[in-house]
Amino acid sequence: NAGVTQTPKFRILKIGQSMTLQCAQDMNHNYMYWYRQDPGMGLKLIYYSVGAGITDKGEVPNGYNVSRSTTEDFPLRLELAAPSQTSVYFCASSGQGRGAQHFGDGTRLSIL
Amino acid sequence: DQQVKQNSPSLSVQEGRISILNCDYTNSMFDYFLWYKKYPAEGPTFLISISSIKDKNEDGRFTVFLNKSAKHLSLHIVPSQPGDSAVYFCAASTADGGATNKLIFGTGTLLAVQP
Repeated sequence: NAGVTQTPKFRILKIGQSMTLQCAQDMNHNYMYWYRQDPGMGLKLIYYSVGAGITDKGEVPNGYNVSRSTTEDFPLRLELAAPSQTSVYFCASSGQGRGAQHFGDGTRLSIL
Repeated sequence: DQQVKQNSPSLSVQEGRISILNCDYTNSMFDYFLWYKKYPAEGPTFLISISSIKDKNEDGRFTVFLNKSAKHLSLHIVPSQPGDSAVYFCAASTADGGATNKLIFGTGTLLAVQP
């Protein structure tokens, strides 16, 4: 049972480059979330989705975009990487809107 | 503005004793609270939750207490085991998120359980 799978696990980008962080879940969950965690801080919500085709902004959406074309996948796009986006990114899903969220193991992203 | 605060960055406890992790919040609209446990290089794992209509919830060795008047919750682990050593995050959400759980996380407390 894979749960929530995030790829890649690590990535180094140059300023101005773009990339997509992948997230897939195999639990048929409607609700999916992207968070970032900076050193010594809690997780902050970037974007979330309540189902295929429906996405909305969280607490810190600037510099990111998302799409949700299928129930399983929820990719996060960085268009113009900036040093402030150096962080660990976590994807999560839940079967119920206000249920507990299941997290992937994260993508550690460094922008130099 | 830190709406969920975990003022103790770290806590050290002897194996077999009780661990008490604390969390304070400022937003009176929070109505659902969760505790997550995180090991290095892994994602957070859900431990236990509590709704604001309750003041206590138990699951095995884990108990969460909610004091709404003080805007304070705590997680008790009894007895503590070395495998409990991890970072513990408190999180909260409001009903105005609609059907979703837009969680606000604290900064975490590193628990070390000494054998």
